[in-house]
Parts: sequence; C-alpha cells; structure tokens
Amino acid sequence: GQQLNQSPQSMFIQEGEDVSMNCTSSSIFNTWLWYKQDPGEGPVLLIALYKAGELTSNGRLTAQFGITRKDSFLNISASIPSDVGIYFCAGQFLGAGKSTFGDGTTLTVKP
Amino acid sequence: NAGVTQTPKFQVLKTGQSMTLQCAQDMNHNSMYWYRQDPGMGLRLIYYSASEGTTDKGEVPNGYNVSRLNKREFSLRLESAAPSQTSVYFCASGGRTGGFATNEKLFFGSGTQLSVL
Repeated sequence: GQQLNQSPQSMFIQEGEDVSMNCTSSSIFNTWLWYKQDPGEGPVLLIALYKAGELTSNGRLTAQFGITRKDSFLNISASIPSDVGIYFCAGQFLGAGKSTFGDGTTLTVKP
Repeated sequence: NAGVTQTPKFQVLKTGQSMTLQCAQDMNHNSMYWYRQDPGMGLRLIYYSASEGTTDKGEVPNGYNVSRLNKREFSLRLESAAPSQTSVYFCASGGRTGGFATNEKLFFGSGTQLSVL
C-alpha cells in the first residue's frame, strides 16, 4: 500500500508469546480494519475500528484506533500455531468506501 | 454460503495470450474489486466497481480491463499477458460495516495464481 506503513514486515515468535504490529499513515482515516490471510486463501476481516481511541477485541486479538487517527495497532496474546499468516491493516477515508492496504506483516509461530 | 467465487484457481499463460478471470458474489454487494498480490508488496488495487454499470481504475490498471456484467459478476481481462503480470489475483466485494453508509468491509475470494511464461 502506498499510503500506509505497516511494521514489522515479518515476525518469528515462539508459541505462547504476545505479538504487536502497527500501521501508520500520513493521512487521517475515519475507519481502520485489520485482515488476516491464511496461506493459500484470501484475506478475512478480523476487526474494524470506527472512532479515534477505540479499543476492540476479538478473542485473543485486540486492536486500537490511534488518537491522531493516523495509526492503528494490533496485538495478539498467547500466540498459537494457527496464528500463522499475513496480517494486513487497511484504512478508509471519510466518504470513500475504497480501502488502502498496508504491505502486510508475515507472522511465523514456532511450536 | 459461497460468498465470493473466483475461477480459475490456477492458470499458466504464454506471453501474449489473453484470458479472463471470473468473479461472482452472492451477498448482494454493490462494490466489487480486483487486487493483485506480489511478495512484499501487499494488495494493490487494479480496478474497482462502486456499483453496477460503473468501473474505475485503481493503483495498477495498465494491461487490464474489467467488466461489471451485472450486480453479481465482475471479470478481469488480460488482453496480452506479460511476465510482469505473474501474480496472485484476488476479487473482493464490499459490504457496509459499522452502520455507516460509506464504510465497507471486504470479502475476498480464494485467489487465482497466474503465471505468465
């Protein structure tokens, strides 16, 4: 994605560890979304965020909409092998449904 | 509960050949999209259709054409394939999220792996 910086690019962690990744933008978004792509499949929506400061959980996943509206964070607690995949952030501008995607964070979990 | 269906799953072409990737969604969504995914480059938007009868260029439209055949179907055509078009192609449809008229969450197909030799 040309307008979003997603980091880190890749992570190698041990099963049971917590994971943090983030996305930053030079533009203000009014919606942030996080997707996960399993190997050989299309991305699937994990969490959607609509307000600055919003903190939303989905099981072991927690995402936050940054106060400045230019960043978002995703945390995974107590990682398990099935967390392996590529995680994408995506932002949407006010009045535009089209999403801008980050380049993805590739997560590898070692048992 | 098919969601977004893409065909074919795999395709090998020779340089200069043409082909059409098919996509259909059964969720009554207005918006449909075509992305390509290359290693380290994330998802790049090729073309999109905000509603039946309209199409617009995305980030990387060169070498591609699209047709929004009806509300369900959105096809992507490569008229003269080039090795630079070797990629994984994803179709997606957009459904409203959060109760806002303009916010969408995307539902993706399982992708087409295309190799151009």
